[in-house]
Amino acid sequence: IQMTQSPSSLSASVGDRVTITCQASRAIDNYLNWYHQRPGEAPKLLIYDASNLETGVPSRFSGSGSGTDFTLTISSLQPEDIGTYYCQQYDILITFGQGTRLQIK
Amino acid sequence: EVQVVESGGGLVQPDRSLRLSCEVSGFIFDNFAMHWVRLAPGKGLEWVSGINYNSGSVNYADSVRGRFTISRDNAKNSLYLQMNSLRTEDTAFYYCVKDASREVGWKLDSWGQGTLVIVST
Repeated sequence: IQMTQSPSSLSASVGDRVTITCQASRAIDNYLNWYHQRPGEAPKLLIYDASNLETGVPSRFSGSGSGTDFTLTISSLQPEDIGTYYCQQYDILITFGQGTRLQIK
Repeated sequence: EVQVVESGGGLVQPDRSLRLSCEVSGFIFDNFAMHWVRLAPGKGLEWVSGINYNSGSVNYADSVRGRFTISRDNAKNSLYLQMNSLRTEDTAFYYCVKDASREVGWKLDSWGQGTLVIVST
């Protein structure tokens, strides 16, 4: 299963609403997770099962979608949100999207 | 507190072998599947291999199948990755990752800091 994220990179201002999309090459129900990786750090789980917030993750993060189209939204961008975001499917084994690099303007 | 610590990375020549290790603490190791995920320079995350809680099921990415072998020792709270016939494209940070399920493939909820493997002459 191929996972395609868009955009590949984006730049936004603190306080902006940011949306990242992920499309699966075939329907995967809600078997979709989102991760955030800051430069030099390990990835961190944000959202699981498409829309569930992992414990300890700020409520400005949210996820939606089912089937082939999914969205990660940051309601109000903070400086610590910079880095790369990845979607990951687990319907058949595991594959990641290519990543979306987020920078602050 | 969950801790995941990888070791064994380094510089190795093409076609040679390397064995990565991962020691964990802070959770009941033999209740969860484990994975190796890598991040190559300038690229995105790539799932490499996964093993279920009792070693009864193992899976590999096409890019490493037949060259890499994942294993675990539940008595030692340890995960391993034997890498043979290494190629330059295997150069990457390798992360040891805990699954939240007994079987391979749900949410990857705890990650180590990674160990760097460089394959070069």
